[in-house]
Amino acid sequence: GEDVEQSLFLSVREGDSSVINCTYTDSSSTYLYWYKQEPGAGLQLLTYIFSNMDMKQDQRLTVLLNKKDKHLSLRIADTQTGDSAIYFCAESIRQLTFGSGTQLTVLP
Amino acid sequence: NAGVTQTPKFQVLKTGQSMTLQCAQDMNHEYMSWYRQDPGMGLRLIHYSVGAGITDQGEVPNGYNVSRSTTEDFPLRLLSAAPSQTSVYFCASSRTGTGLDTEAFFGQGTRLTVV
Repeated sequence: GEDVEQSLFLSVREGDSSVINCTYTDSSSTYLYWYKQEPGAGLQLLTYIFSNMDMKQDQRLTVLLNKKDKHLSLRIADTQTGDSAIYFCAESIRQLTFGSGTQLTVLP
Repeated sequence: NAGVTQTPKFQVLKTGQSMTLQCAQDMNHEYMSWYRQDPGMGLRLIHYSVGAGITDQGEVPNGYNVSRSTTEDFPLRLLSAAPSQTSVYFCASSRTGTGLDTEAFFGQGTRLTVV
């Protein structure tokens, strides 16, 4: 079955790195995604990783995928106050299935 | 660049009332979907459509109807509103339902309160 899990909250200091974790259960997922939701807005695609990759880097964002453990993480380097948002991981088999979202709070 | 447009942004309904949430996209996307977002539960799929004339149920379809008469529009109807339907509703569209083209574009959301 499809189930995607995330912790609900994360707080970091401005300038530190943030790591948001996600576990999924369906090993047939082809693509895994990270979406960002700012207050009062819809979701926007942040980055994605293909299932045959271990890592993907995009400027301040690093995505790590451990297929054996079905574990996905998003690292944000030099976290800024503008990074405060809810981050959703999602997998795509037949439709997009989202995790519960992690509320990232960046403290000054 | 309109993207995905949802109306209204806010709505208060009384229990038992009906209403339609509108969703339109101008990207010629085949795949459209409706989600509801509740605290701590992420986004749950209500209904989706893979093209005009084709709709299917998602994870939480009860109490909602959809239709897809055109590629652009995908309205969501609440037949008899219940307090359990108080939520934030998002419409999304993408070129296809799976694969890399699954990048989904979301509307701004409709915050619905049923009293």
